[in-house]
This record gives sequence, structure tokens and C-alpha cells, in this order.
Amino acid sequence: KAGVTQTPRYLIKTRGQQVTLSCSPISGHRSVSWYQQTPGQGLQFLFEYFSETQRNKGNFPGRFSGRQFSNSRSEMNVSTLELGDSALYLCASSLDRGSYEQYFGPGTRLTVT
Amino acid sequence: AQSVTQLDSQVPVFEEAPVELRCNYSSSVSVYLFWYVQYPNQGLQLLLKYLSGSTLVKGINGFEAEFNKSQTSFHLRKPSVHISDTAEYFCAVSDWRDYKLSFGAGTTVTVRA
Repeated sequence: KAGVTQTPRYLIKTRGQQVTLSCSPISGHRSVSWYQQTPGQGLQFLFEYFSETQRNKGNFPGRFSGRQFSNSRSEMNVSTLELGDSALYLCASSLDRGSYEQYFGPGTRLTVT
Repeated sequence: AQSVTQLDSQVPVFEEAPVELRCNYSSSVSVYLFWYVQYPNQGLQLLLKYLSGSTLVKGINGFEAEFNKSQTSFHLRKPSVHISDTAEYFCAVSDWRDYKLSFGAGTTVTVRA
């Protein structure tokens, strides 16, 4: 079974631009979560989607948003990029909200210049 | 809210020696505990999990961990490490109310020949 896939793997953007990252969960998994990883703040939860609805949100500004489609694929969007948004963005999928085990993709490395 | 403390930021160890990575957590409710490994330029791979039952949990690649509720700890051990175990290791916690993972800061393990 294929794992979690994320596209693109690397991205370079300029301050003020916006970016959209994509995540395809493991086949059959219905819950998708997003995390940001930086050297300074470590791994931080962004949001979780299940059945096309945001179920949980971390402590990030409104510039960070996401959505989930009917096939469980998810996208996250960051508008008005800042230098501090440079990070590895990780997507994780789980079978269901109650399964607790999350399986991570390889991440998208975003660099903001 | 939960929090996780990984007591060692870096652990150097010789090949074939044992290693222990320490993790303490705080939470007001029952928790679920996880260890993940991250190799350079990759996402997170689930090593093992504690959801309920036996407090000694065995995972992949010869790793095991012991859940100690009284000491609120979930230390990871491997009796004999290989060069390929060089990576960053993350302890994480979640609970039944909230499916997000809260991560520790990570422990970098460097295995030397």
C-alpha cells in the first residue's frame, strides 16, 4: 500500500506570496493532519481534517488554512508569506479519528526569501 | 493540555552498545504515547505506540519502550544499536479528547563505529 504522498517536495517563494501544499493520505485513511517543523519551534500541530471538516486547529494565524476533499486528499494554504514560515510541512494520515496512529509523509520543504 | 519533555537533546553512542532515550510527559487525562524516528530529509516514521494494555511495548527495528504511569515516563531503549540508527527521535503524546500529537523537542542519536 502506498504511503502518504506530499507535493511538491521543495518550494521557494518570496515574502508576500501565497502557497498551496498538497497531501494524499494512505488509501482508506479518512483523517489528515498537518504539522509544521522548524529548528526553533520543533513540531507543531496546524490542523486536522476529517470528513471534509476541520476538526481541530493549532495556534497559528489565520494566514494558514486548509481543506479536505471528498476523496480525503487535503491541501493547506499559506497566504502573505513571511520569512518565519520557512519550514518543513508534514502531512499525516490516520484510518479514522479514533485510531490515534498517524502516518507521516516526507514533507514539503518551504523556503521563503 | 499535554506536554512532552525529552531529557536529552543529543546522545552519542558506539555501535553495538545499548541506548536509552528518555521521555517524560504531563497530562491531566489518560494518554496515548508514541515514538517516531526521522532520518535526514525524510518525514516521521512510527517506531512504536502505547495505547493500552502491557506497559512494555515492542516496536520496529529492535526498539522497545516502557510506559510508567507513576513516573509519567515513556523511555525508549535498544539493546544494540547500528550505524543506521543514526537519526532524530521524537516522543509524542495525544489523548482521547484530542487527536493531535504533541511532540517533544527531539533527541539526536549519533552512532559511531
